[in-house]
Amino acid sequence: DAGITQSPRHKVTETGTPVTLRCHQTENHRYMYWYRQDPGHGLRLIHYSYGVKDTDKGEVSDGYSVSRSKTEDFLLTLESATSSQTSVYFCAISQRGAPGTDTQYFGPGTRLTVL
Amino acid sequence: KNQVEQSPQSLIILEGKNCTLQCNYTVSPFSNLRWYKQDTGRGPVSLTIMTFSENTKSNGRYTATLDADTKQSSLHITASQLSDSASYICVVSANKAAGNKLTFGGGTRVLVKP
Repeated sequence: DAGITQSPRHKVTETGTPVTLRCHQTENHRYMYWYRQDPGHGLRLIHYSYGVKDTDKGEVSDGYSVSRSKTEDFLLTLESATSSQTSVYFCAISQRGAPGTDTQYFGPGTRLTVL
Repeated sequence: KNQVEQSPQSLIILEGKNCTLQCNYTVSPFSNLRWYKQDTGRGPVSLTIMTFSENTKSNGRYTATLDADTKQSSLHITASQLSDSASYICVVSANKAAGNKLTFGGGTRVLVKP
């Protein structure tokens, strides 16, 4: 998985609780991404980062926030989890370029269940 | 609206046989098309990438084709192996003028049986 780890790998939480997912890379790649994958929807971009403290929204950013204080770490936070956020979350990295201009390498995923 | 449609949704093939997966897209303006392989419980891994001027690209037993005029791509798997059991995802990128936006297909789930 190209030097990318995600934690936790599995999490079950209750509606209304805050949740933070962590992505850690050892490749020193500039770009980092958070996706969610749901049956029937394919992968959808939540947020991405193009450098330390530089982030931008994807197509499904409502209800999510991100932070990147170091090159190697990209955090995804659900401020108040809802059942619609039950999904598998993937982190990805790329060395250069905006989304689509460079090959992305994906982490192993985090399965989140919101009860 | 940009869309990527893949067919079939799933298929079962016998080990050693060939198969072809289809991807139709409406993404415009087009930049490139990638095929990813996703094993169960893992993240996607890139197989091939093709730009507008390329109409075929191989990676071992995987061969991707692209017809940019009809906006269609296919992924052909030759002499399938049990390890080819996975989901295959077609991803199309718009160009810089459109923000390099990626559109993912829903994937085709392939099961190779002995």
